[in-house]
Amino acid sequence: DTAVSQTPKYLVTQMGNDKSIKCEQNLGHDTMYWYKQDSKKFLKIMFSYNNKELIINETVPNRFSPKSPDKAHLNLHINSLELGDSAVYFCASSLGGENEKLFFGSGTQLSVL
Amino acid sequence: QKEVEQDPGPLSVPEGAIVSLNCTYSNSAFQYFMWYRQYSRKGPELLMYTYSSGNKEDGRFTAQVDKSSKYISLFIRDSQPSDSATYLCAMSFYGQNFVFGPGTRLSVLP
Repeated sequence: DTAVSQTPKYLVTQMGNDKSIKCEQNLGHDTMYWYKQDSKKFLKIMFSYNNKELIINETVPNRFSPKSPDKAHLNLHINSLELGDSAVYFCASSLGGENEKLFFGSGTQLSVL
Repeated sequence: QKEVEQDPGPLSVPEGAIVSLNCTYSNSAFQYFMWYRQYSRKGPELLMYTYSSGNKEDGRFTAQVDKSSKYISLFIRDSQPSDSATYLCAMSFYGQNFVFGPGTRLSVLP
């Protein structure tokens, strides 16, 4: 059983399109995250949700909108895609609180043409 | 100065070598220190997790934290080709604030 699963694995699209990435975790964790990994491998946090509530919203264009229908799911919707959005997007989850260990999904490679 | 610095490599070693990977950081508030391993086209997986200063050993892996020098290390003994991956250091303090290093790409040659 995959602990943190995200779909799709690859996403190739044109500039200006709107796309979504879905994430689900079956670990019973309370906190979920979206991270962006650029071509230089830097992992940067984008959003964090705790029990469906937004708790971290880093400086990310408002074209990116996360949605958490329940604490096991955190989806990422991106409007009006731009070339600079090309990256690998990772979903992650943790128990939350002080003892934080992140568990990552396998990533979605987004290519904007 | 970047918050977390890590030599990106690549680092190539022969099988069986001892590997030393390092990170330095600037924020003395960090209390939790982690090493993640990331294989190509995969998500990072947690390898080692330590709180505050000291050493932690798990099989062939040893993590060291020196808070006074703001320096953390990961040692891999008897390195194997299957250890070839990118190793990311990460650190945090209470409250959802993980900061990752850029990763060191390691190749262990058979």
